[in-house]
Formats: sequence, structure tokens, C-alpha cells
Amino acid sequence: QKEVEQNSGPLSVPEGAIASLNCTYSDRGSQSFFWYRQYSGKSPELIMFIYSNGDKEDGRFTAQLNKASQYVSLLIRDSQPSDSATYLCAALYNQGGKLIFGQGTELSVKP
Amino acid sequence: GAVVSQHPSRVICKSGTSVKIECRSLDFQATTMFWYRQFPKKSLMLMATSNEGSKATYEQGVEKDKFLINHASLTLSTLTVTSAHPEDSSFYICSARVGEGDSPLHFGNGTRLTVT
Repeated sequence: QKEVEQNSGPLSVPEGAIASLNCTYSDRGSQSFFWYRQYSGKSPELIMFIYSNGDKEDGRFTAQLNKASQYVSLLIRDSQPSDSATYLCAALYNQGGKLIFGQGTELSVKP
Repeated sequence: GAVVSQHPSRVICKSGTSVKIECRSLDFQATTMFWYRQFPKKSLMLMATSNEGSKATYEQGVEKDKFLINHASLTLSTLTVTSAHPEDSSFYICSARVGEGDSPLHFGNGTRLTVT
């Protein structure tokens, strides 16, 4: 069973703080990982993707990948109330190009 | 950027009827599209992979006779929920990627299905 695991939260951080979202995956064969943001009642929107070990930064977002530990994380710096949403981690399984999602972490940024 | 259009956004139907949901790639061709289902407060569950010109590949536990998928062109896939029941009420979302390989999936806006 290919699985992607996330803490469901909710994770609450004050405005301006760093939010740290974590994800683990079970299939060592997976090579590509994605973070999506989903607002209530809406479909997911892509935030970042990462393929290589290490960090990848894009604005206030940093994705981190550690394939040895099968661990992916997303850091959000200077968190804003508008960042409040559910964050979905996904792993690409090469068989058929399927994207398997974790259960999502609900983030709440308090003004 | 890549746009995936899904229609309708909301639909209410009576038990026993069928509902068709359309998914279009607006500015790119998609040989493969993916259909997901999401229950409230739950994650996205992959239902099936839609393949242009061939049969869809269904995930374990998904009834292929109930959820009919047709991918007749490089820009259109349809999901038909046949003989709908209240337990089929859910948020259905299609997705596609530009090109092949490991590029990200782009999602449609989703269809909220309510079966009464």
C-alpha cells in the first residue's frame, strides 16, 4: 500500500511566524513530491514541487526533501492569515504517473 | 499557466439518475487525466486514470460500471456517475499535467455532486 502521511492538525501559528508542515511517504521508489494548498470548498492549487534532496525556496515557501528518511516538509515564512488553508502533500508514483495525496494538514494563521 | 476546466461546478440530482461531469484541458493536450473524489475534511482519493483513446484504469475498490470514464479526445475526459445514490454525494475533481513524466498535476475547479 503506497501511503503518504501528514499530521491532520489543526496547526495554529501567529501571524508573522514560521509554519512547518511535515509529510512522510512509504514508497522509496517515489522521486517527485508536491505541495498543494486547498481552501475550503475549492480545488487544490499547486504551491511547490521538489525532486532532489535538500531545500527549494520560492518566495516565502521552502520545500525540503530527505529521501533517505522518506520525509518532505514545507516551511512558510512570515505566515499570513490568507495562508490559512489545508496543505496537501503528494507523492508521484511512477507507475502510471499517479499522484497520491496525504490527508492534509489544516493550517490556521491567527492575526 | 495550464488551465483545466471542469463543468458543472455544482449538480443536484435524484437517486437513480445519472450525472455527467466534463473535464477539459484548455490550452494543452492531455493524453492522461486523473479523476479524484474528496469527502468533507478528507483527502483526495484517486478514482481512476483516464487514457485518451483507450479504457480507463480504475483504482482498487472503484466500481467501473458505476463511474464511467470516457476520454474521447486529447482535451476532454468525462466522468458519468450512473444510477446515483446519496452515498455518491461528494466533491469530484479532475486533473491533468502538461507533458509527461513528473510535471505537476493541474486541477479543475471540481464538481460538488449532491444526490437526493
